[in-house]
Amino acid sequence: EAQVTQNPRYLITVTGKKLTVTCSQNMNHEYMSWYRQDPGLGLRQIYYSMNVEVTDKGDVPEGYKVSRKEKRNFPLILESPSPNQTSLYFCASSPSGVETQYFGPGTRLLVL
Amino acid sequence: GEDVEQSLFLSVREGDSSVINCTYTDSSSTYLYWYKQEPGAGLQLLTYIFSNMDMKQDQRLTVLLNKKDKHLSLRIADTQTGDSAIYFCAESKNDYKLSFGAGTTVTVRA
Repeated sequence: EAQVTQNPRYLITVTGKKLTVTCSQNMNHEYMSWYRQDPGLGLRQIYYSMNVEVTDKGDVPEGYKVSRKEKRNFPLILESPSPNQTSLYFCASSPSGVETQYFGPGTRLLVL
Repeated sequence: GEDVEQSLFLSVREGDSSVINCTYTDSSSTYLYWYKQEPGAGLQLLTYIFSNMDMKQDQRLTVLLNKKDKHLSLRIADTQTGDSAIYFCAESKNDYKLSFGAGTTVTVRA
């Protein structure tokens, strides 16, 4: 089944403890992206990747890192999480750009 | 987001038409999108319209684009309970970046 998977789905952590949210797609898509969703703000793009080893900042990249060492995976790294990074995170992928993105199920993160 | 604005809530009776409105600021947007998010789920692309089009119809969905006023709307005909969800308007300024509105929560009442 074609899908985008994220792990973990739920995470509670404490300020400053490094964490990684994984994202994987099995559709051989070139493009992958991370968003965060907050009430009243909709989704905001954090980082995106056009292809392996090619990444760029979205609208809210501060406090996040990404890597794209292989086509199927695009992990989101929070080196030192803070409470303002408490949010619902979505990974998405598409064949080439934003026009036909498939979204993962989301990861709900709480930073205490 | 600031660039894309939507009303936050819409309540509609089952069987009626729903109209969700959106305004955007960037006249250079190439595509405009409507996404649907059901409770506890990710986003699902409903439809999109290229910026040189005025209207697009897809079964029960009709998208209208007024470029002069930078206004986009989504009409859902014969609204059903399964249409209850959050609907997001989004604009793409290039192939890789997408800006979303805050989302409109649509509640369908019997």
